[in-house]
Amino acid sequence: AQKITQTQPGMFVQEKEAVTLDCTYDTSDPSYGLFWYKQPSSGEMIFLIYQGSYDQQNATEGRYSLNFQKARKSANLVISASQLGDSAMYFCAMRFRTSYDKVIFGPGTSLSVIP
Amino acid sequence: DTEVTQTPKHLVMGMTNKKSLKCEQHMGHRAMYWYKQKAKKPPELMFVYSYEKLSINESVPSRFSPECPNSSLLNLHLHALQPEDSALYLCASSQANPSGEEKLFFGSGTQLSVL
Repeated sequence: AQKITQTQPGMFVQEKEAVTLDCTYDTSDPSYGLFWYKQPSSGEMIFLIYQGSYDQQNATEGRYSLNFQKARKSANLVISASQLGDSAMYFCAMRFRTSYDKVIFGPGTSLSVIP
Repeated sequence: DTEVTQTPKHLVMGMTNKKSLKCEQHMGHRAMYWYKQKAKKPPELMFVYSYEKLSINESVPSRFSPECPNSSLLNLHLHALQPEDSALYLCASSQANPSGEEKLFFGSGTQLSVL
């Protein structure tokens, strides 16, 4: 069965420092997509970054980069130069292409940026 | 227009009421989703519509009834809900781009309270 694990319920980071949020996943499907979403206290889900299972290079989007290690089934999010506005819940998610339209989420990590 | 619009933003209803949540997107996306999210938990998939047909129903109780009148609209009809159904209800849509990336675009959600 497909499953996503985020082992860090809460994280703190100093402003302007980098932080890594962990995500591991379990699937036997060869084709899948991995996402990171940010959810501030307002409740909206904000897309951050995407990595396809066949992508050779790690995805980057501005201050966000995804450290994709396929053999270890990990897809860690790296946020560089943290800002106060980065304080939020962060969810790792996976799309299963064999199930076509199904996307499931990990339990999330609460990130707090300290001034 | 890259928005998914949900109405209402807040809803309070009694257990005998009938109400509907509405979701609209004008991005031409072929898949639309309903998720339920309890506080400090990840979103849980409820329903998926693909090309206006229900493709996934995650064993949701019949007191929740989805409807997709056309490719831009998605409704969730509520009847005889229980207090434990109180949650944030998120709508999302998706469409693969030419590189195969298919990310979910989320609405801001409806915060539902059942009394």
